[in-house]
Amino acid sequence: NAGVTQTPKFQVLKTGQSMTLQCAQDMNHEYMSWYRQDPGMGLRLIHYSVGAGITDQGEVPNGYNVSRSTTEDFPLRLLSAAPSQTSVYFCASSPRTIQETQYFGPGTRLLVL
Amino acid sequence: AQRVTQPEKLLSVFKGAPVELKCNYSYSGSPELFWYVQYSRQRLQLLLRHISRESIKGFTADLNKGETSFHLKKPFAQEEDSAMYYCAPQRTGANSKLTFGKGITLSVRP
Repeated sequence: NAGVTQTPKFQVLKTGQSMTLQCAQDMNHEYMSWYRQDPGMGLRLIHYSVGAGITDQGEVPNGYNVSRSTTEDFPLRLLSAAPSQTSVYFCASSPRTIQETQYFGPGTRLLVL
Repeated sequence: AQRVTQPEKLLSVFKGAPVELKCNYSYSGSPELFWYVQYSRQRLQLLLRHISRESIKGFTADLNKGETSFHLKKPFAQEEDSAMYYCAPQRTGANSKLTFGKGITLSVRP
């Protein structure tokens, strides 16, 4: 199993550009989530999904959209990038709930100029 | 609202010294308790989970329900323990929003 994969590893955007961060898992996990990691702020939840077709907002959802059309994929879309979205983004999954071990992807480092 | 507090941002110790990384949470009940670790240039991974009562890489974590704390401890730190550590207590029930502490950087000097 590849586990949780994320692409790209690194991306530079200009303010106002849009892009999609990809996240996929091959473990048939129901629960998936996106976080951003910033110095001094820890991990902050952006969006999460408890199963295909179901998504909900986390702590910092503004400026980001998600969808979950399949169990395997959970892309994160930046509609109009802003410098404040410069961060490292992590995707995670678990079999069903937050009370289980979370498996993380390798992260995507995003720089918005 | 549930809160997780890791009161220190950085802990620097010499090799062989004891380590205690603190974690306090604000909600009652019996949460599932996790510590995750992120080594340099690697993804976050589970270090230990309270329910399994294991000692991983020499680390243990004791739940203190009275103080609502779940501190991570190791009697003798090693250089390879240098990493970022996140506490993640998860309340049982319908809430599906994962909560992490802000993390602490452990630096073990030779």
